[in-house]
Amino acid sequence: ETGVTQTPRHLVMGMTNKKSLKCEQHLGHNAMYWYKQSAKKPLELMFVYNFKEQTENNSVPSRFSPECPNSSHLFLHLHTLQPEDSALYLCASSQVGSGDTGELFFGEGSRLTVL
Amino acid sequence: AQSVAQPEDQVNVAEGNPLTVKCTYSVSGNPYLFWYVQYPNRGLQFLLKYITGDNLVKGSYGFEAEFNKSQTSFHLKKPSALVSDSALYFCAASGAGSYQLTFGKGTKLSVIP
Repeated sequence: ETGVTQTPRHLVMGMTNKKSLKCEQHLGHNAMYWYKQSAKKPLELMFVYNFKEQTENNSVPSRFSPECPNSSHLFLHLHTLQPEDSALYLCASSQVGSGDTGELFFGEGSRLTVL
Repeated sequence: AQSVAQPEDQVNVAEGNPLTVKCTYSVSGNPYLFWYVQYPNRGLQFLLKYITGDNLVKGSYGFEAEFNKSQTSFHLKKPSALVSDSALYFCAASGAGSYQLTFGKGTKLSVIP
């Protein structure tokens, strides 16, 4: 098992569809993240979960809905997306606590195309 | 607020020549600094980090980075570039008491055979 696993790797959906991205980390970390990577734009931090509690929501539209049922799993539920939401969605995890450096471990990403 | 700047969108270097990818940062307190590499349609892979100690940090695949506190820089270097080093490189930083990394916009490295 690799450290952080994302499924699916590729997803094509229409604007009226509902789909979900899944992330699982096997590193025993206590924090998980969703990032959006669009062409020619910096990485955008979308959501942060620390000990399963959402600690950050960087003004992300409500058509993106995160869920963190436990410290190993993170979902991103998608509905009524727009074509500009097409991007690579990256999941990451880290260990956060005294003495930890907060180094992120990334999954391979889910390439989303919205038609 | 934290910020990371990578002043070059693209760096071209001939195979076998030394390479440098530049990064400067602005954080509160002592910084934690990182370099990541991303190959096409892949996630980011950790290369190296500076937390404390020696200013020259050695990492994966022969890369190293030099921490310069006075210049608030953390440039990535490699003595002899390989074609397989061609990728997108990201610098990231966090400050004291903050576990959230701030990323630069990335630098595309192209190593020419």
